[in-house]
Amino acid sequence: QSVLTQPPSVSGAPGQRVTISCTGSSSNIGAGFDVHWYQQLPGTAPKLLIYGNSNRPSGVPDRFSGSKSGTSASLAISGLQAEDEADYYCQSYDSSLSGYVFGTGTKVTVL
Amino acid sequence: QVQLQESGPGLVKPSETLSLTCTVSGGSISSYYWSWIRQPPGKGLEWIGYIYYSGSTNYNPSLKSRVTISVDTSKNQFSLKLNSVTAADTAVYYCAKKTQALDPWGQGTLVTVSS
Repeated sequence: QSVLTQPPSVSGAPGQRVTISCTGSSSNIGAGFDVHWYQQLPGTAPKLLIYGNSNRPSGVPDRFSGSKSGTSASLAISGLQAEDEADYYCQSYDSSLSGYVFGTGTKVTVL
Repeated sequence: QVQLQESGPGLVKPSETLSLTCTVSGGSISSYYWSWIRQPPGKGLEWIGYIYYSGSTNYNPSLKSRVTISVDTSKNQFSLKLNSVTAADTAVYYCAKKTQALDPWGQGTLVTVSS
């Protein structure tokens, strides 16, 4: 089972700002391990959206931003667009499991 | 840029071994880590394990007893073997390059476990 907890779904109107939380523990996010975020459009493979807590790969719009504090991390999408409808996953490393862990995933719906 | 492509049987019988290969193109497999991830239909992502080009590995503890990941640098490929499969192993299997994060990913291949 996932050790990183995300809300199952979030929604917003076009142009609005939404945030997705990723809650971990002292063995993963709280231990200082980086958090990465992936976007999975319907029927496609996940794509890296944010790496190292807050860095955007080239080509990712600056509407997407990431942050981390304590045992949690967040992904914010500002100026929500219809093309942002997708599933979003956080990912980190867990020292207790000695391996990588994914969040439970969040479905973003644009109203 | 680096591209990854998974290949292997789409149907495996229960109790048999699932075998997949990931072919890396557009760059060398050397000097990086390479990972396998899976996603059961309608569910979330699960990390399976990763391998360094030199052959050192790290596996998900929940799968460790059944998983082997290997690398063939001469073919620029790495492979996944999962033995004693059950219906719970039915999933889309992805390979990915691991630097600081997992990027890029292959398109994924659906493996169904059924008799």
